[in-house]
Amino acid sequence: EDQVTQSPEALRLQEGESSSLNCSYTVSGLRGLFWYRQDPGKGPEFLFTLYSAGEEKEKERLKATLTKKESFLHITAPKPEDSATYLCAVQAELRGMRFGAGTRLTVKP
Amino acid sequence: KAGVTQTPRYLIKTRGQQVTLSCSPISGHRSVSWYQQTPGQGLQFLFEYFSETQRNKGNFPGRFSGRQFSNSRSEMNVSTLELGDSALYLCASSFGTGDSQPQHFGDGTRLSIL
Repeated sequence: EDQVTQSPEALRLQEGESSSLNCSYTVSGLRGLFWYRQDPGKGPEFLFTLYSAGEEKEKERLKATLTKKESFLHITAPKPEDSATYLCAVQAELRGMRFGAGTRLTVKP
Repeated sequence: KAGVTQTPRYLIKTRGQQVTLSCSPISGHRSVSWYQQTPGQGLQFLFEYFSETQRNKGNFPGRFSGRQFSNSRSEMNVSTLELGDSALYLCASSFGTGDSQPQHFGDGTRLSIL
């Protein structure tokens, strides 16, 4: 069965303090790994898709990387507006997306 | 470009009733997926429709059903509502199916069961 585990559950950072979120996965036939951001009362907002080990994607202060067993979301010099829950999900062939429980990030000014 | 639209945003029902939720995908998107989000279980996949056909189904009882229309709009129905069905129901659309195109989510329908 596909499994996605995110750590830590919650992370509190000071503004400018860089860190990384982890997403470990077990899936056969990986078609893609996705990162989303979710703000309270809103649906998840798409950030990145990674397809193969070694791939990296960047967007502003965020950088996502992928290995055969895990993905990292690196946040460089975060700002308070980066506070949100970050969700990781995997897509396998002929199966719906499976999401991790998320990491709740708080960035204090 | 308009995003995914879900209606209604909020619903209150009582046990035993049934409910229908609606989703309009992004223009040009033909795949629609439905998810249930709760604090305890997180985001769980319900089902996916593509070209009016159910392509994948998650591990939910038969009380949960859906359909897709020729214009790609989708509805999901929950019959004989239970207290545990209280959740945020999210709809997501993508261009294709099975090709790992990213899914784009609406802001959901918050369903409360009394």
